[in-house]
Amino acid sequence: GQQVMQIPQYQHVQEGEDFTTYCNSSTTLSNIQWYKQRPGGHPVFLIQLVKSGEVKKQKRLTFQFGEAKKNSSLHITATQTTDVGTYFCAAPGGNTPLVFGKGTRLSVIA
Amino acid sequence: DAGVTQSPTHLIKTRGQHVTLRCSPISGHKSVSWYQQVLGQGPQFIFQYYEKEERGRGNFPDRFSARQFPNYSSELNVNALLLGDSALYLCASSLGGASGKETQYFGPGTRLLVL
Repeated sequence: GQQVMQIPQYQHVQEGEDFTTYCNSSTTLSNIQWYKQRPGGHPVFLIQLVKSGEVKKQKRLTFQFGEAKKNSSLHITATQTTDVGTYFCAAPGGNTPLVFGKGTRLSVIA
Repeated sequence: DAGVTQSPTHLIKTRGQHVTLRCSPISGHKSVSWYQQVLGQGPQFIFQYYEKEERGRGNFPDRFSARQFPNYSSELNVNALLLGDSALYLCASSLGGASGKETQYFGPGTRLLVL
């Protein structure tokens, strides 16, 4: 079945540093979605990217979808302690509404 | 509008028992999906239902079953519980378009511990 690979698994940053997580697939994706899960919480939808080369911004968060629609990235500028959590990419696959990556756990040191 | 609601929030069972988890989707959403999230992993798809019909099934044993009711709420049943069934069970609702691949909105989950 379809797999979505996500790296890194963990990232520790000082507050104010930037953070990036990457998502890759061996197959072309119809769309890619990003979710954030706070410790002890549930995944919260952040954004969906559909078009090749699409770039979307939400305040300090920048999301990109690759030209070949096989990879995506989430970049956070000047991290804050409120950014702590696990960031997941997910994409539709086969008869599955969403196939999730393993996530990147972000820790922010104040 | 209320988001996706799930009950119970926490549950402790012993091996061999049966459990029923419940989910109410966002008002106006006709599709419900169930996911299992074990610690340190991303959610894994179990079932999707749309208009009371099963639309998709993940790679889970027959001990797992689900159904959707006329009001679009849903139940997930797990029989003969194993220790490995301990996880966060997430329900997600979506509008229920033709593709079944639209944005999913997750509920707070039910944390199941099997002893």
